[in-house]
Amino acid sequence: SQTIHQWPATLVQPVGSPLSLECTVEGTSNPNLYWYRQAAGRGLQLLFYSVGIGQISSEVPQNLSASRPQDRQFILSSKKLLLSDSGFYLCAWSVVWGARGTPLHFGNGTRLTVT
Amino acid sequence: AQSVTQPDIHITVSEGASLELRCNYSYGATPYLFWYVQSPGQGLQLLLKYFSGDTLVQGIKGFEAEFKRSQSSFNLRKPSVHWSDAAEYFCAVGATISSGSARQLTFGSGTQLTVLP
Repeated sequence: SQTIHQWPATLVQPVGSPLSLECTVEGTSNPNLYWYRQAAGRGLQLLFYSVGIGQISSEVPQNLSASRPQDRQFILSSKKLLLSDSGFYLCAWSVVWGARGTPLHFGNGTRLTVT
Repeated sequence: AQSVTQPDIHITVSEGASLELRCNYSYGATPYLFWYVQSPGQGLQLLLKYFSGDTLVQGIKGFEAEFKRSQSSFNLRKPSVHWSDAAEYFCAVGATISSGSARQLTFGSGTQLTVLP
């Protein structure tokens, strides 16, 4: 069966420091990968998605970037964190486009607090 | 563009009572619809999905949802709520991201469910 791992679970970082959140998927090949952010009291906002190694699409211009160095690895980064980057970050995967009605499968999230 | 509205920010029910969480969507074609549940500090777990066929969909944990095209709704129901059902519930509609090569879910803002003993 497929599993998704996301770490760290919680992170407290000062303003201006770098960020690296990692997500890996097991048990499937060539998944679509996604990064979402969930701000307090709000819904989920899609930040980035990837349909293959090195292929990254950004949905919202911001201070963050994403990379996919391997088929099942997705990394969210920032060179200098802002206070507004605080939130709950969720990684997700899905099978590739073409399978109708396929859901997203989420990791357990990373709680990021920028101080 | 698609959108999802969950009109109830917070719902409180007593354990053993029935539950209905509302979801209205806006989408130009036949939608793919999903309900997810999120426990505090956790990721989202898929409860059920609809993309075609029978409009009454059964999910995990005793939940069901009914797709009503005429009302653009996909309400989640459970006949008897358990204390462990206390969580936040998200409705989502799926569509193709504009590039045509990945699927995006548009989420509602969520409904927080409190269960009283």
